Amino acid sequence: GEEVAQTPKHLVRGEGQKAKLYCAPIKGHSYVFWYQQVLKNEFKFLISFQNENVFDETGMPKERFSAKCLPNSPCSLEIQATKLEDSAVYFCASSPPFQGSNQPQHFGDGTRLSIL
Amino acid sequence: QKEVEQNSGPLSVPEGAIASLNCTYSDRGSQSFFWYRQYSGKSPELIMFIYSNGDKEDGRFTAQLNKASQYVSLLIRDSQPSDSATYLCAVNLWDYKLSFGAGTTVTVRA
Repeated sequence: GEEVAQTPKHLVRGEGQKAKLYCAPIKGHSYVFWYQQVLKNEFKFLISFQNENVFDETGMPKERFSAKCLPNSPCSLEIQATKLEDSAVYFCASSPPFQGSNQPQHFGDGTRLSIL
Repeated sequence: QKEVEQNSGPLSVPEGAIASLNCTYSDRGSQSFFWYRQYSGKSPELIMFIYSNGDKEDGRFTAQLNKASQYVSLLIRDSQPSDSATYLCAVNLWDYKLSFGAGTTVTVRA
């Protein structure tokens, strides 16, 4: 597709439950990124993929967070045993293959995760 | 020191004026520089990107990059009420992930 598609738009979970978010990148884009936006504007990088392979996972809280990008499926971000502090908007972004310089990332509409 | 710093704002300008947004970054290895616009409750929307020193113009927007000073700016000419939003400066290194500034909220007064 021509847009990064994220589902669901909103997700409400009780503390300790599992949450799973999905992202379909723009067709032809080979990089996928997940960011967490807490408070008003603070973006935190979580993880990136080059096609199905993890490219950079330095931002992931590994104890409870996991992510995958499998062929012919939307990418996913899963949070086990959610905590109140996981409440945030999770954005997925995709970008075309590297062409001598970093390509702009295009963002989806985000998933607002609320932990009660 | 934060990796990317922006003038905190909020910035209020009258309609038709020029809005000037500033951003500095700490890592001299930074390669690419982006300005995103984010309306409240919405996703970041790419406005401009710049890779080389100098100016880059696109319609009413001009991005300026000075790598020696580690400084990137965005000018919005003939500001319109629809330009009222938060503007995010983002920078990336060889590892492609974006480091964002805290954003500058711009309000254009009609």
